[in-house]
Amino acid sequence: DAGVIQSPRHEVTEMGQEVTLRCKPISGHDYLFWYRQTMMRGLELLIYFNNNVPIDDSGMPEDRFSAKMPNASFSTLKIQPSEPRDSAVYFCASSLGPAQHFGDGTRLSIL
Amino acid sequence: AQKVTQAQTEISVVEKEDVTLDCVYETRDTTYYLFWYKQPPSGELVFLIRRNSFDEQNEISGRYSWNFQKSTSSFNFTITASQVVDSAVYFCALSEGGAGSYQLTFGKGTKLSVIP
Repeated sequence: DAGVIQSPRHEVTEMGQEVTLRCKPISGHDYLFWYRQTMMRGLELLIYFNNNVPIDDSGMPEDRFSAKMPNASFSTLKIQPSEPRDSAVYFCASSLGPAQHFGDGTRLSIL
Repeated sequence: AQKVTQAQTEISVVEKEDVTLDCVYETRDTTYYLFWYKQPPSGELVFLIRRNSFDEQNEISGRYSWNFQKSTSSFNFTITASQVVDSAVYFCALSEGGAGSYQLTFGKGTKLSVIP
């Protein structure tokens, strides 16, 4: 079975540009989570959805960040405009119950 | 608020040695879940184990074993006869599942280096 699929794997862009990260959860999973990982702050939960509905976005750092889940098989995390301090690895995870399964992550570099 | 502490930032062992990674958690919930994840140098996060708060039975999976003790709020992870492929960052995580949200709180991770 396919796991959580994230794209792109790597993204390098200039400050001020819009960045869109994509995630396809495991089929049948009803929870979807977006995390950010940095050396300084470790793994942080940004937002999570249940049955495509955003439940808690208190981890989203600023209004520049937004996330959507238009259907059960697709979610996006958008940063507009991007800043160098947004550079991190962004993980998507999905679950059916407590155990979350992670994608391979998107390594984002903002120059 | 929930909290996970992994006091060991980095550990180095020689291949074939046993190693234990410590995890201490804090929660006010009576229903919760504990997890271990592995992050190898390639960067992905690999799920290793889930344990719920009502099940204190220790678990063994091959060279891996987990010791859950509610009395000390600990969920330690032991690798027996370590191998170079075990080199990774290991994260302990907690989910207060009572509300059904399953949000994970991660520890800072322990970087394990297994030297050949």
